[in-house]
Amino acid sequence: SQQGEEDPQALSIQEGENATMNCSYKTSINNLQWYRQNSGRGLVHLILIRSNEREKHSGRLRVTLDTSKKSSSLLITASRAADTASYFCATDAVGGSEKLVFGKGTKLTVNP
Amino acid sequence: EPEVTQTPSHQVTQMGQEVILRCVPISNHLYFYWYRQILGQKVEFLVSFYNNEISEKSEIFDDQFSVERPDGSNFTLKIRSTKLEDSAMYFCASRLGPRAGNTIYFGEGSWLTVV
Repeated sequence: SQQGEEDPQALSIQEGENATMNCSYKTSINNLQWYRQNSGRGLVHLILIRSNEREKHSGRLRVTLDTSKKSSSLLITASRAADTASYFCATDAVGGSEKLVFGKGTKLTVNP
Repeated sequence: EPEVTQTPSHQVTQMGQEVILRCVPISNHLYFYWYRQILGQKVEFLVSFYNNEISEKSEIFDDQFSVERPDGSNFTLKIRSTKLEDSAMYFCASRLGPRAGNTIYFGEGSWLTVV
């Protein structure tokens, strides 16, 4: 089954606007993590939210988690051109598996 | 902030050749991983490694792949006989402890191109 499917697939906004990206998943999870990837580069960890948490903040980032809907959102406030990147959610399922399951990501473009 | 380092950053290899990708996980971390990302596709799990043995592997991680922690710091991924479809970015990752609440940190990746 697919886990960690983000939407939209692509998002283009102006600098200063807020960007919201959503992630849905199918099975019960321990944690959900959001990562950023600049083109051709590594995965930079942004935020981890545990299954018993509903909201978490880090600087301009706000993540929510709704386990009843099996969904999460990442909000970037007051976006900057440097926020241009792909954003991925990744989940690790309850049970024996160690692996993170990634979605295809949202490609965010912030225009100056 | 401590980081996971990977070498080489890029490698071009001929089909059928062996490739070793190297990683230095964060020093006090105990759980190690390899993931890969084919261009334009999702990041996919390959293998997890804990206590000097593989703890989980995916269907992708067939007999052509192996991992090793030859000393206290390095963690390597070997592809014995590369195929064209092995071309991808390979990410090493590490985690301090068991899953709940522990962030997985990724390296910058090694681009492998098989020609």
